[in-house]
Amino acid sequence: SQQGEEDPQALSIQEGENATMNCSYKTSINNLQWYRQNSGRGLVHLILIRSNEREKHSGRLRVTLDTSKKSSSLLITASRAADTASYFCATDRDSNYQLIWGAGTKLIIKP
Amino acid sequence: GAGVSQSPSNKVTEKGKDVELRCDPISGHTALYWYRQSLGQGLEFLIYFQGNSAPDKSGLPSDRFSAERTGGSVSTLTIQRTQQEDSAVYLCASSLPFIGGVGGYTFGSGTRLTVV
Repeated sequence: SQQGEEDPQALSIQEGENATMNCSYKTSINNLQWYRQNSGRGLVHLILIRSNEREKHSGRLRVTLDTSKKSSSLLITASRAADTASYFCATDRDSNYQLIWGAGTKLIIKP
Repeated sequence: GAGVSQSPSNKVTEKGKDVELRCDPISGHTALYWYRQSLGQGLEFLIYFQGNSAPDKSGLPSDRFSAERTGGSVSTLTIQRTQQEDSAVYLCASSLPFIGGVGGYTFGSGTRLTVV
C-alpha cells in the first residue's frame, strides 16, 4: 500500500489565496519530500525536510513535519495560476533509498 | 546534459510487442531510478541503479520487465510481450548518492506508453 496519503485529493482556490495540502505516512522516515507534477509528466523537486526538522521555507512554500503524528503539510502562499499542478509527497525509510509516493493532490488555481 | 532525458516521449504499441524505453541521466549522477505512474496515481518503484553495484530490481512487476544501465550512464527499460496493463507513464530519475537526505531526484519528462 502507499506510504504517503495526500489530503485533499483535489483543491480548487482563487488566485492569491493560500493553498494547504497534507500528507500522512505510516512508518518512520528519514526524510520527506514534496514534488510538483504538471500535465502528468515529469516531477519537479520542491523541498526536502529531514525527520529532525519541523519547518522549512523556500520562497512561497512552507513545509511542516510532525513526526509524532506522521504527517506533513505544504503551504503555498499567494497562489498563482502557474501553481496549478499535482503535488506529491514522498518518503524514504531509514537506510532505504526507495521513495514511497502518495497519489497526490490536484491543485487548481482559478484566475 | 542539463537534465534527465527520456525517449521516446510517447509510444503506442500493439499488445504482445516488445518496447524499449531510454533514459539519459544527468552527468555525474550515479543513482538512476525507474518509476511507473498509472493515470491519477502516485509513482510505483520499478528498479534502482547505483554506480557499479547490482541493481535493486525488487519493484519490477514481472519477468517481462528488465532494465540495464551501460557504463554507469544511459539506462534502457525493456518490456517484453507488452500487455494493456503496462500502459502508463514511465519516469526515470537520477540523483547523487542518496546519503543523509542530500537533495532530491531530478526526473525526466517520462515516456507515455499505450498498449493497444
